[in-house]
Amino acid sequence: DAGVIQSPRHEVTEMGQEVTLRCKPISGHNSLFWYRQTMMRGLELLIYFNNNVPIDDSGMPEDRFSAKMPNASFSTLKIQPSEPRDSAVYFCASSPHTSGGYNEQFFGPGTRLTVL
Amino acid sequence: EDQVTQSPEALRLQEGESSSLNCSYTVSGLRGLFWYRQDPGKGPEFLFTLYSAGEEKEKERLKATLTKKESFLHITAPKPEDSATYLCAVFSGSARQLTFGSGTQLTVLP
Repeated sequence: DAGVIQSPRHEVTEMGQEVTLRCKPISGHNSLFWYRQTMMRGLELLIYFNNNVPIDDSGMPEDRFSAKMPNASFSTLKIQPSEPRDSAVYFCASSPHTSGGYNEQFFGPGTRLTVL
Repeated sequence: EDQVTQSPEALRLQEGESSSLNCSYTVSGLRGLFWYRQDPGKGPEFLFTLYSAGEEKEKERLKATLTKKESFLHITAPKPEDSATYLCAVFSGSARQLTFGSGTQLTVLP
């Protein structure tokens, strides 16, 4: 089992540019979560999907952030335009259950985003 | 709003020196408390879920316990490979999503 796959692992971009982060969940998992981790705020849930449908996006900080899950094996998190305060590590996680995080989640290795 | 506070922020132990990490929480309707381990440059890795006060779970040198206000992660005779950041998270009936604490960074010296 390859686990949750995220790409790119590192992204450095300039303020105002569009950034797209990608995630491939574990095959057969029904839920997918996007988190952001910073020193100041710790690990925060941005959005999660059940069976490819967005359930709760209340953690998405602004309209500059958007997430899609076109099929069960792929999701994207897009930031447009990016700002320096978006610099963080972004994690994708998946779970075999559709309970909003009530069960074990499997995290990917993360994407370290730096916005200059 | 669910709140999770972990202490201490950092802990340095000698190999074999047992200790405990604390996670105190304020939630409305706790459904589950989770412990995760995070190594540098990696995503969190699931350790335990506790569902009700009085419940205990063990895995190798780790033992997690739960009361109505807090959870402890006891580490018995730790080894250097136990060095990591340990994250606590709660799932409540009101928030219906995981709320993470800021973590305890554990360093075990050989």
